[in-house]
Amino acid sequence: GEKVEQHESTLSVREGDSAVINCTYTDTASSYFPWYKQEAGKGLHFVIDIRSNVDRKQSQRLIVLLDKKAKRFSLHITATQPEDSAIYFCALNSGGSNYKLTFGKGTLLTVTP
Amino acid sequence: EAAVTQSPRNKVAVTGGKVTLSCNQTNNHNNMYWYRQDTGHGLRLIHYSYGAGSTEKGDIPDGYKASRPSQENFSLILELATPSQTSVYFCASGPGQGNERLFFGHGTKLSVL
Repeated sequence: GEKVEQHESTLSVREGDSAVINCTYTDTASSYFPWYKQEAGKGLHFVIDIRSNVDRKQSQRLIVLLDKKAKRFSLHITATQPEDSAIYFCALNSGGSNYKLTFGKGTLLTVTP
Repeated sequence: EAAVTQSPRNKVAVTGGKVTLSCNQTNNHNNMYWYRQDTGHGLRLIHYSYGAGSTEKGDIPDGYKASRPSQENFSLILELATPSQTSVYFCASGPGQGNERLFFGHGTKLSVL
């Protein structure tokens, strides 16, 4: 099936700095790229997504960039806060399906005060 | 916010035994999913469903069955549990409108001894 590689397994930043998590994929047919956050001991919850008809989307302190030529998308968290500490997963729709998501392996983000 | 409830939260099973993991959602979503989460693999899709009576194989269905008896309920069944099925299992639901945002349960931690 479709593969998505999440490049950073861990990331540590100081409070107030920006954090960037990068993912690459192989199938040019992928059209939907969501990001999910998992806090310790909990399930995942959606944070932001981007579709292939745009290359940038922002929601408050979160920015998602999509570079279709490079088959790369990234999550930028600006002005990080300790509560941003969590595991972040990139994902994309796979196998030509609108419903099946393939997830990256996750990035553990630690924001230190 | 969509509510997805999984039971049990923790389960210890013996090799060769039968295990049933249950999931209930209260937002009338058409689609439901079972994922497992393992260190180094991220989330992998086991089975999913488009509605009552439907089940579809995901990326790693071997050793698992699924049942969707109603819109609200989706079960994952391990007929003959093996230690390799020790994992954290997540159920998710989505409205079924394409490129959809998923809502996850808190997870079931299964240990097969």
